[in-house]
Amino acid sequence: AQSVTQPDIHITVSEGASLELRCNYSYGATPYLFWYVQSPGQGLQLLLKYFSGDTLVQGIKGFEAEFKRSQSSFNLRKPSVHWSDAAEYFCAVAPDYKLSFGAGTTVTVRA
Amino acid sequence: GAGVSQTPSNKVTEKGKYVELRCDPISGHTALYWYRQSLGQGPEFLIYFQGTGAADDSGLPNDRFFAVRPEGSVSTLKIQRTERGDSAVYLCASSLTGLANNEQFFGPGTRLTVL
Repeated sequence: AQSVTQPDIHITVSEGASLELRCNYSYGATPYLFWYVQSPGQGLQLLLKYFSGDTLVQGIKGFEAEFKRSQSSFNLRKPSVHWSDAAEYFCAVAPDYKLSFGAGTTVTVRA
Repeated sequence: GAGVSQTPSNKVTEKGKYVELRCDPISGHTALYWYRQSLGQGPEFLIYFQGTGAADDSGLPNDRFFAVRPEGSVSTLKIQRTERGDSAVYLCASSLTGLANNEQFFGPGTRLTVL
């Protein structure tokens, strides 16, 4: 069965600093890969997705992610964090219509 | 345009009671999904509808859980004889089709608390 691991439960980053969130997946083939963000009281919002092709994917809000097949990883990055980026971030994989999520990483942004 | 809406936003009930949670998907989306998110966890798949039929209900934890989508639009998740372990946020999502490369749009969720 596929699984998604987000090793960092909580990350604190200073405003303006860079951010990297880790995601590793376990699956027999390369599934579709996604990053979602969840702000308090809000639904999950898709940041970016990878299906095939260029392994560096650009998303909304200045986020990007890099797919590394050899490491089964799909890490999310942002060069300069804004206070509004404080939220919970979920990595997800989908071999088909069924999304399988990691446990999430909570990001706190300090001034 | 309108996104996915869910009602109620919060539901508090007593152990043993019956509850219904409603989802209004984006108009024109044929695929609808229910997920459950427990505290400190990512969402877990419950059921997938393609049109009016449940194409995959493998995530429903037991037979106390049931969902319908009679007209291929609004869906209702029904939980009988609720237990304290059912307390969670129930998320609904819809997508244009059921293909994996179609973005799933999520509603804000219904927070269910079973006392």
